[in-house]
Amino acid sequence: AQKVTQAQTEISVVEKEDVTLDCVYETRDTTYYLFWYKQPPSGELVFLIRRNSFDEQNEISGRYSWNFQKSTSSFNFTITASQVVDSAVYFCALSLMNRDDKIIFGKGTRLHILP
Amino acid sequence: DAGVIQSPRHEVTEMGQEVTLRCKPISGHNSLFWYRQTMMRGLELLIYFNNNVPIDDSGMPEDRFSAKMPNASFSTLKIQPSEPRDSAVYFCASSRYRTSGSGNEQFFGPGTRLTVL
Repeated sequence: AQKVTQAQTEISVVEKEDVTLDCVYETRDTTYYLFWYKQPPSGELVFLIRRNSFDEQNEISGRYSWNFQKSTSSFNFTITASQVVDSAVYFCALSLMNRDDKIIFGKGTRLHILP
Repeated sequence: DAGVIQSPRHEVTEMGQEVTLRCKPISGHNSLFWYRQTMMRGLELLIYFNNNVPIDDSGMPEDRFSAKMPNASFSTLKIQPSEPRDSAVYFCASSRYRTSGSGNEQFFGPGTRLTVL
């Protein structure tokens, strides 16, 4: 069975600090996709990134970066120089390639950026 | 471009009443997903459709829940009769379907917050 674990339930950091959100996934499939979504206080989930299992290159987008390591089944998300607007719940998720269209979500990490 | 539209945004009802949640996917998207979010269980997939056809409803909690997609631009999730434990935020999401398992990102609506008294 597939599973996504976000061990950090809640994190608080002071603005401008860097913060890393951990994500560990489990699947016996060798081909899959990984996602991160953001859920701000307004409630709507916002897509951030998708990676496929063939591509372990790290991704950087502005202050956001993602570290994908198949060896440890991890797909961690780092926010550099955090800002108050980054406060949200962040979900890591997994879907299986060429199987179906389900996305299995982790329980989420609630991130508080303190001014 | 309009995103996924859900209505109502908030619904308060009494136990035993029928509840109907509505969703309009993004134009051109042909996959539609219904999720439920609670503190205890997180985000759960209830059912999803490809090209208006239900593909997997294994997440539907019980027979009180039903979903339809009569056309490409509209879907409903109905709970009859509703119970207090159905209180949750219900999200609809859509994506562009090509083939199964192509990892298309899903775009979520704002959700419907349901409270059953």
